[in-house]
Amino acid sequence: AQKITQTQPGMFVQEKEAVTLDCTYDTSDQSYGLFWYKQPSSGEMIFLIYQGSYDEQNATEGRYSLNFQKARKSANLVISASQLGDSAMYFCAMREGNFNKFYFGSGTKLNVKP
Amino acid sequence: DAGVIQSPRHEVTEMGQEVTLRCKPISGHNSLFWYRQTMMRGLELLIYFNNNVPIDDSGMPEDRFSAKMPNASFSTLKIQPSEPRDSAVYFCASSFGTAGTEAFFGQGTRLTVV
Repeated sequence: AQKITQTQPGMFVQEKEAVTLDCTYDTSDQSYGLFWYKQPSSGEMIFLIYQGSYDEQNATEGRYSLNFQKARKSANLVISASQLGDSAMYFCAMREGNFNKFYFGSGTKLNVKP
Repeated sequence: DAGVIQSPRHEVTEMGQEVTLRCKPISGHNSLFWYRQTMMRGLELLIYFNNNVPIDDSGMPEDRFSAKMPNASFSTLKIQPSEPRDSAVYFCASSFGTAGTEAFFGQGTRLTVV
């Protein structure tokens, strides 16, 4: 089974609108971490936001928030007030296991339209 | 800290040649990951070191690939002999070894095998 599933290969959003990128995960661990990364066309991987499995509040970092629904095993990324510079590939990732291995999803390509 | 440093940034080599990719992780990090990224297969974890010890190499595609981490500040990924299908961007990432810490990625090495 896939550890991280991102079902949206591509998304479009109008500038200044909010967008939600979906991510579901599979683990039997009690302690794990969930992450989102951004990869612009230049290729670098940029860490955006982290949610711990024991955190009761949803994580927020500026315009990014993580909608964490533990029972549903989902960790959706919400980007508010989209900007043209948000156009990029977005990866959801999970860290779990005895050695805290990282698992990445297949990514969602977001295009922000002016 | 300068971040994760990979070299070379670009490598073009002929089929059959040996290729060595290098990575210097962030000082103090005890986890190191090698990833391969292609359009077809996305981001694949090749091998994961914890405290310089290979923990999981199940992602290494075949015996032509090998990775070493002789000390905490250096790792190599070697392909011998290289084939055109090895063309990809190879990322090295490092982190602390806990579930709640993000991985920091290098800029990647773009490998082209002709």
